[in-house]
Amino acid sequence: SQQGEEDPQALSIQEGENATMNCSYKTSINNLQWYRQNSGRGLVHLILIRSNEREKHSGRLRVTLDTSKKSSSLLITASRAADTASYFCATTGNQFYFGTGTSLTVIP
Amino acid sequence: GAVVSQHPSWVICKSGTSVKIECRSLDFQATTMFWYRQFPKQSLMLMATSNEGSKATYEQGVEKDKFLINHASLTLSTLTVTSAHPEDSSFYICSGKQGKSNTIYFGEGSWLTVV
Repeated sequence: SQQGEEDPQALSIQEGENATMNCSYKTSINNLQWYRQNSGRGLVHLILIRSNEREKHSGRLRVTLDTSKKSSSLLITASRAADTASYFCATTGNQFYFGTGTSLTVIP
Repeated sequence: GAVVSQHPSWVICKSGTSVKIECRSLDFQATTMFWYRQFPKQSLMLMATSNEGSKATYEQGVEKDKFLINHASLTLSTLTVTSAHPEDSSFYICSGKQGKSNTIYFGEGSWLTVV
């Protein structure tokens, strides 16, 4: 079953701009993770934020978590063409359930 | 990060036959493995969770007799699609995690086409 929903479903930006993707989920979580998937490939883990954290940074990535609203956001700053991919949030309790994903296109 | 190897990457089979997909953790002991199915431009749908040495736990709506999962060792899990039909054509992805780790590592996925 699907736990999270991302919005927007698709996002197209110019290289150098920032990209923001949002994820909403339904139940209580232990932590939330963001993954990246290049077309037709497996997923790559980007960042994990625990339920007691509100914000986390990793390089050009910034993740926020609002457990009261059951939502998270992923910000990619200074985007590059190589950032073009689908991005999924995944909530972890006993299993890993993925959101619907955001397809990001960064135009050179 | 840890490496999960999935094989084959591409497979074409005839309707009615069975096909096996292997998922190996190369540098860690995958006490838990997950199998996902993904249709084009859609998200990953969890099919089943397997713990080494135990029977897999299937998600609602997933036929356990059709999608046989074996997790006999800490480094290998297999998914067998039995009596495959064209509607089983999809991208199948496995992942594994060690112990109580919060991070799961994904294989590169297997494209199954049933003709």
